[in-house]
Amino acid sequence: AIQLTQSPSSLAASVGDRVTITCRASQVISSDLAWYQQKPGKVPKVLISDASSLESGVPSRISGSGSGTDFTLTISGLQPDDFATYYCQQFYNYPYTFGQGTKLEIK
Amino acid sequence: QVQLVESGGGVVQPGRSLRLSCAASGFTFDSYPMHWVRQAPGKGLEWVAVVSFDGSHKNYADSVEGRFTISRDNSKNTLFLQLNSLREEDTAVYYCARARDAFDIWGQGTMVTVSS
Repeated sequence: AIQLTQSPSSLAASVGDRVTITCRASQVISSDLAWYQQKPGKVPKVLISDASSLESGVPSRISGSGSGTDFTLTISGLQPDDFATYYCQQFYNYPYTFGQGTKLEIK
Repeated sequence: QVQLVESGGGVVQPGRSLRLSCAASGFTFDSYPMHWVRQAPGKGLEWVAVVSFDGSHKNYADSVEGRFTISRDNSKNTLFLQLNSLREEDTAVYYCARARDAFDIWGQGTMVTVSS
């Protein structure tokens, strides 16, 4: 199974900051990667698919990049609504796998 | 609107069985592969299983292979997950999700607790 390793596991930042979360795959997965946001007690929400395609309704301050094995999620101008846990997920092959998550907290 | 609604969760003893259902509405159900994803309390997301749009192909996570069975009834717009030989480590919220690639639609989840 393809392993996805996110870093950091947790991150403290302030409103207005720019943050970057990375996701590294254990093998090449082309651009078959998605990013999700999950708030406590809530259902995950897809932010980005195909590594860099922003889902409808997701603010443009959120962006994704990368291909092959290395991917990044960047949030510019952090807003209070952005403090949550973020997961990457590969859909290159089965079994689909998720990263372990990155918890973004308010500093 | 596009919606997935799970049901069937509960508390069950180790070794017993449970059947989860996921009712879909608001989209052409038989055009999409459908998945189950779970999340243990305080833990991350774990993909569980997928069934192809017509039910002919299925894949499972190693952790559930041979114990869980995914199926669908396209005439009733419903997805199922049969959970057999349950273990304490299967305790989780189980989500059904729609995906051709990324999981774009999720249900609200149903809690399965395996405990003696």
